[in-house]
Amino acid sequence: GAVVSQHPSWVICKSGTSVKIECRSLDFQATTMFWYRQFPKQSLMLMATSNEGSKATYEQGVEKDKFLINHASLTLSTLTVTSAHPEDSSFYICSAEPRAGSGANVLTFGAGSRLTVL
Amino acid sequence: QKEVEQDPGPLSVPEGAIVSLNCTYSNSAFQYFMWYRQYSRKGPELLMYTYSSGNKEDGRFTAQVDKSSKYISLFIRDSQPSDSATYLCAMSRPYSGGGADGLTFGKGTHLIIQP
Repeated sequence: GAVVSQHPSWVICKSGTSVKIECRSLDFQATTMFWYRQFPKQSLMLMATSNEGSKATYEQGVEKDKFLINHASLTLSTLTVTSAHPEDSSFYICSAEPRAGSGANVLTFGAGSRLTVL
Repeated sequence: QKEVEQDPGPLSVPEGAIVSLNCTYSNSAFQYFMWYRQYSRKGPELLMYTYSSGNKEDGRFTAQVDKSSKYISLFIRDSQPSDSATYLCAMSRPYSGGGADGLTFGKGTHLIIQP
């Protein structure tokens, strides 16, 4: 089946530093990937839609200068949290649609990356 | 009113019981309905996917969609302790002219199956 790999699975960083999270589709190509954020006991909240070869589309309230998204190839999207602060500590999950064009939006998710900012 | 409402639980049932998980929604444009299972500190995994109204069965799992009531359900028969997880409903609109559209998730219901 379709697999989405995320790395790192866990990262701890100091306040003010930047952290990059990678999302890879291992056995399919993904022109579109999605980045979600999930706080404890909360639902997944869509942050942005990552489009291969073009700028990402951010949801309302998400700072595009803080959460930099790059989708340089059909199998890789990266999320960089710039100048991270403790309130950015969260579980970041990427996803992609293995059957693009099916109209179903059936997404495969990565295992998530837990960011802790000290 | 949130677009998708889901009781966060926790819902605790004995092993072997039939579990019923539900979501309501307000956006009549939603056409695709999914249930994801999420274990602690893991990404969600797709359990069931249905289009429009109707039922779908897969092993011990049955998904129901009632678009007239804007209500979806997931039933788990012969529940097992390994079914203990958070179950998230998700739904989406059809594509609107090229490109994918993100999912709207419920808050998730924390399910505990007692051995």
